[in-house]
Amino acid sequence: DIQMTQSPSSLSASVGDRVTITCRASQGISNYLAWYQQKPGKVPKLLIYAASTLQSGVPSRFSGSGSGTDFTLTISSLQPEDVATYYCQKYNSAPAFGPGTKVDIK
Amino acid sequence: EVQLVESGGGLVQPGRSLRLSCAASGFTFDDYAMHWVRQAPGKGLEWVSGISWNSGSIGYADSVKGRFTISRDNAKNSLYLQMNSLRAEDTALYYCAKSHYYGSGSYPFDYWGQGTLVTVSS
Repeated sequence: DIQMTQSPSSLSASVGDRVTITCRASQGISNYLAWYQQKPGKVPKLLIYAASTLQSGVPSRFSGSGSGTDFTLTISSLQPEDVATYYCQKYNSAPAFGPGTKVDIK
Repeated sequence: EVQLVESGGGLVQPGRSLRLSCAASGFTFDDYAMHWVRQAPGKGLEWVSGISWNSGSIGYADSVKGRFTISRDNAKNSLYLQMNSLRAEDTALYYCAKSHYYGSGSYPFDYWGQGTLVTVSS
């Protein structure tokens, strides 16, 4: 089975900072990679799919890149409402989520 | 408006069974694959099972294979998860989720229900 890892597991940054989260697949998954945001006590929300396609309604400060085994989620200017845990997911064949990255405001 | 409403959770003893349901509305249910995803208290997301639009393709996580059965009734716009031989480690909030695109193929999950809590404990 393909395993998904994320780094870091948590981070703390200031409002306005550029934030980068990395996701790695144990085998190549082409661009079958999505990113989700889960705020405390809330349902996960799809942010990005096909590695770099922004879901409708998602702010443009979110962006994704990568292909194969290495992927990145970038928040260009961190906002207070971005406090959440972010999960990557490979969705080809048997879907699998990464362990999550918790983002806080410093 | 897309709505997914899960039901059927509760407290159950180890080894017993439970059946979860997900009532869908606001989209053409029989066009889309559907999934179950769970989240143990304070933990991350775990995909549990998925079913294609016509029930022709079904998949399970290794952790539930042989114990859980996913099904759907397109006439009733409903998704189900039959959970047998429940274990303490199955304790989680179980979400129903909709595939982003219709038909065959692999797609992310664009709508999620609020979840139903399953607690397995004696």
